[in-house]
Amino acid sequence: AQSVTQPDIHITVSEGASLELRCNYSYGATPYLFWYVQSPGQGLQLLLKYFSGDTLVQGIKGFEAEFKRSQSSFNLRKPSVHWSDAAEYFCAVTSGTYKYIFGTGTRLKVLA
Amino acid sequence: GAVVSQHPSRVICKSGTSVKIECRSLDFQATTMFWYRQFPKQSLMLMATSNEGSKATYEQGVEKDKFLINHASLTLSTLTVTSAHPEDSSFYICSRSGLAGVSYNEQFFGPGTRLTVL
Repeated sequence: AQSVTQPDIHITVSEGASLELRCNYSYGATPYLFWYVQSPGQGLQLLLKYFSGDTLVQGIKGFEAEFKRSQSSFNLRKPSVHWSDAAEYFCAVTSGTYKYIFGTGTRLKVLA
Repeated sequence: GAVVSQHPSRVICKSGTSVKIECRSLDFQATTMFWYRQFPKQSLMLMATSNEGSKATYEQGVEKDKFLINHASLTLSTLTVTSAHPEDSSFYICSRSGLAGVSYNEQFFGPGTRLTVL
């Protein structure tokens, strides 16, 4: 069955520290991969996406993600976290049917 | 700027009443739109795919008679929660797909509607 796993429900980092949020997927076909951020009570904002080509993709707000087909992963990274990055992060996958499967989300807390 | 809008952003209603939520595609005529439900501190769950001019396609376990979806025009889809009960309280988010080609696989999300049923 198709699935998306975000192993970390909660992550706490200090401001200025680096960040990596994990995302693993199980998909039979070539996946299209996305990372979204959601602040409390708000909708989803697209951080970045991968369709094809260079496996390291750059997004907004200084985020990047790397697609590793051999590991079925699409981990999100940021070299230096800001307090405003505290939010919920969702990984999502689709495969040509435009039907999304979302991960369960990772809640990021940033310590001052 | 925003490409999908939702109205209202928040609604509070009494148990047993019906509530309509509108989702508009602002920049593109969308033949297909999507409705999601998000419980507190949980992920988004697809409820249904809204198809312009035809019946919506509901996901397994979603009550068709409870959650009525109408996609009467290429820019507007509505979700009506009929005879709402407290367990229907949730955050409802709509989306539309991208343009033709590869971008068709990307969805653009509305800001969401917080429904509270008393």
